Amino acid sequence: EAGVTQSPTHLIKTRGQQATLRCSPISGHTSVYWYQQALGLGLQFLLWYDEGEERNRGNFPPRFSGRQFPNYSSELNVNALELEDSALYLCASSPVGWYGYTFGSGTRLTVV
Amino acid sequence: RKEVEQDPGPFNVPEGATVAFNCTYSNSASQSFFWYRQDCRKEPKLLMSVYSSGNEDGRFTAQLNRASQYISLLIRDSKLSDSATYLCVVNEAASGTYKYIFGTGTRLKVLA
Repeated sequence: EAGVTQSPTHLIKTRGQQATLRCSPISGHTSVYWYQQALGLGLQFLLWYDEGEERNRGNFPPRFSGRQFPNYSSELNVNALELEDSALYLCASSPVGWYGYTFGSGTRLTVV
Repeated sequence: RKEVEQDPGPFNVPEGATVAFNCTYSNSASQSFFWYRQDCRKEPKLLMSVYSSGNEDGRFTAQLNRASQYISLLIRDSKLSDSATYLCVVNEAASGTYKYIFGTGTRLKVLA
């Protein structure tokens, strides 16, 4: 069974640009979660999508947005990039109910 | 007070030692609890769920104390391969929406 896949693995952008990160959940998982892990900090919850709808949102500005497609894959968009957006962005998926997330290996975003 | 707090460590222990981590949470309505393991520059992986009655998985024992609002992870007979960061996760479910809060993690180094 394929795990959660994220692309790209690494992304380098300049300040002010936009970044798009992609995530494909495990087959059969309908929920996708996005987290940010900045250096030295814990995992900060960004967004939760389930069945195409945004279900919950963390304490991030509106320039962090995303969507979930009919096939349950998801995109995270970060507009007007700032240097402090540099972090590892992790996507996780879970089936209906809660049995623990499965994380992808992440996208490392560097803003210069 | 942070929603989920962990001692960042590092805990440096010799092989074969027993080590315990605690994690405190602020929301008494939190419903489910987990320990994740994250290796350096890798994604977190579910180590074990934490049940009210306590649960054991090989050398790992997890316990929940709802009255004092903390969970613990005990590792017996530490192995070099146990060196990692251990993340505590708390699920706050309310009004049909879920919010999973990660602690910043406790670093464990098992020394030969």
